[in-house]
Parts: sequence; C-alpha cells; structure tokens
Amino acid sequence: DIQMTQSPSTLSASVGDRVTITCRASHSISSWLAWYQQRPGKAPKLLIYKASTLESGVPSRFSGSGSGTEFTLTISSLQPDDFATYYCQQYNSYWTFGQGTKVEIK
Amino acid sequence: QLQLQESGPGLVKPSETLSLTCTVSGGSISSSSYYWGWIRQPPGKGLEWIASIYYSGSTYYNPSLKSRVTISVDTSKNQFSLKLSSVTAADTAVYYCARHYYEQQLLFWFDPWGQGTLVTVSS
Repeated sequence: DIQMTQSPSTLSASVGDRVTITCRASHSISSWLAWYQQRPGKAPKLLIYKASTLESGVPSRFSGSGSGTEFTLTISSLQPDDFATYYCQQYNSYWTFGQGTKVEIK
Repeated sequence: QLQLQESGPGLVKPSETLSLTCTVSGGSISSSSYYWGWIRQPPGKGLEWIASIYYSGSTYYNPSLKSRVTISVDTSKNQFSLKLSSVTAADTAVYYCARHYYEQQLLFWFDPWGQGTLVTVSS
C-alpha cells in the first residue's frame, strides 16, 4: 500500500495569504498525484492532476508541484471561497488519499 | 454536463448488506475512456476508495474491502451499483460515486463526483 501523509492537518490563514500544503508518499509515485478541494457538506472537486496540471475552470491561483514522494499545493492569494479541506490522491498503485488539510480562517 | 446521483437506503442494520446505485446522466456509462468508482468518507474523516468498474464489467477492488464488496454495472440503465456485506458501525459513511479516468490501461483521478449519500449502520 502507498500511504499519503499531508501536512499540516489544519492551517489558519487570512484572505490574501499565500498558502502551501504538503503531501508525502510512502513510495515514489512519479507525478501520479491529484489534488481535490472539499467544502463542508459537498463532494470533493478536482483541482489538479498529474501533480501540476490545472483542471479546466480552476482559478490560476492554485498550483501544484513535485514528483517522486513530495508534492505541494499552493494557493497564491487565499480567497474566501478557498476555506475548505484539501486532499491529495495518488494513482500510481491503486488509489489512496491523504488525510486532508483543513484551511480555516485565522 | 455529466452528473452522477447516488441512491439507496440511508439506514442499514449491522451484519446486513448495504446496497447503493449510482445513476449517470448527461453522458454514457459505456464510454471507453472511463471506469466508474465508489469512494466513501466516514463522518469527520478522510476519503477511502472502495471499487471501480468498466462498462464491460472489468473491476478493481480495494484489497482491504474486497471480501465484502461487489460492484456491478447496468449499461441499459446507465447505472452502476455497490454492495457491501456484513456491515458494522465502521461502515457508516458518506458514499460517493465518481467517474474514474482511464487511459492506456491505467486509472487515474476521479471527476466528477456525485453529491454523496450518508449511510448509517445501526440497529
């Protein structure tokens, strides 16, 4: 099994802040990583795939980077709509998710 | 625009079988480019992939759940279904169905997702 570990678990930030979330894989997954946003009571929404490819319609303030075992999701300037929980997901071997990072208002 | 909608009982008794159906609209479940999957999320917790199926019936199962899970597809109704047997309280979760991207014999990310349905296991 490939385990995905996100940090931090919770992040307090203000509108306009630059935010970075890290996702680490227990084994190398090349660039086989996706990021999702989940607002309370809603289904996850795909933001990024192949570690750094922005899904169509996703604002450009979101970006992803990394390969191998370490990946990051960056929000360049946090907007009110961005307060949510973010999950990474690997698809190198089966399909597993990180435990999530909640971005809350500071 | 593709939409997925889960349906099924919201309450299941311990030791019984959980049964859910996902209805796909706005597109064909028989597309060669996609599998179709189930993912669950216990209250306040993270996401767990359960199983995925192709329109032809080819399946993938989470090894940790495989002994209790059956996924099936009905192309005539544009639906796919999940059965989880011998449920316990630990199976209480929001169950999502989602389209699972497929290319060159590899499966990738999930998009879009249904709205999810809460299934509670309790007597």
